[in-house]
Amino acid sequence: QKEVEQNSGPLSVPEGAIASLNCTYSDRVSQSFFWYRQYSGKSPELIMSIYSNGDKEDGRFTAQLNKASQYVSLLIRDSQPSDSATYLCAVKGNLGSSNTGKLIFGQGTTLQVKP
Amino acid sequence: SQTIHQWPATLVQPVGSPLSLECTVEGTSNPNLYWYRQAAGRGLQLLFYSIGIDQISSEVPQNLSASRPQDRQFILSSKKLLLSDSGFYLCAWSIGSTDTQYFGPGTRLTVL
Repeated sequence: QKEVEQNSGPLSVPEGAIASLNCTYSDRVSQSFFWYRQYSGKSPELIMSIYSNGDKEDGRFTAQLNKASQYVSLLIRDSQPSDSATYLCAVKGNLGSSNTGKLIFGQGTTLQVKP
Repeated sequence: SQTIHQWPATLVQPVGSPLSLECTVEGTSNPNLYWYRQAAGRGLQLLFYSIGIDQISSEVPQNLSASRPQDRQFILSSKKLLLSDSGFYLCAWSIGSTDTQYFGPGTRLTVL
């Protein structure tokens, strides 16, 4: 089992729709979760971080965390063609494990927003 | 505010040649520094991370090495490049116990 799993996509949504991106992780005691956006040929840029169960909203983006089910998701409302990119989920490695202090990245989900 | 620089932006090198990629961070002190590689169509692979000068951990056995000669400078090197070294090399930084990593613009390396 991969430590952080994402569906590679592509996920295709029409402009104006809600895009839902999902991520599951294997380390039950993980505490810190991140979403990055990566445009083709560019470096990843941070969208949001989330640490507590529930929702966290920032503009058109909402991150959702459910530690009991070990998943974190990103919702993009009113999707725009400029949102077309690969979205990377990252989970901080647990203290005391071989992943201490490191971010473990998923493979990323490619989102296509069609005009 | 903090900024991170990487150079060169792109590089084409023959197999067997040496490599030196540089990363510098401005606007912060004692950052944690990271080198990642992203091969075409693949995820981010952590190569090295450093919590201080001359404190570097290697994640993957390979023909690459890293050095941190100054607090805010991180260098990735190789004595002899392999074809498999091609990829997008990303430097990232974080501060202290905070978790968030911020990436530099990257260096695209093609080994021919």
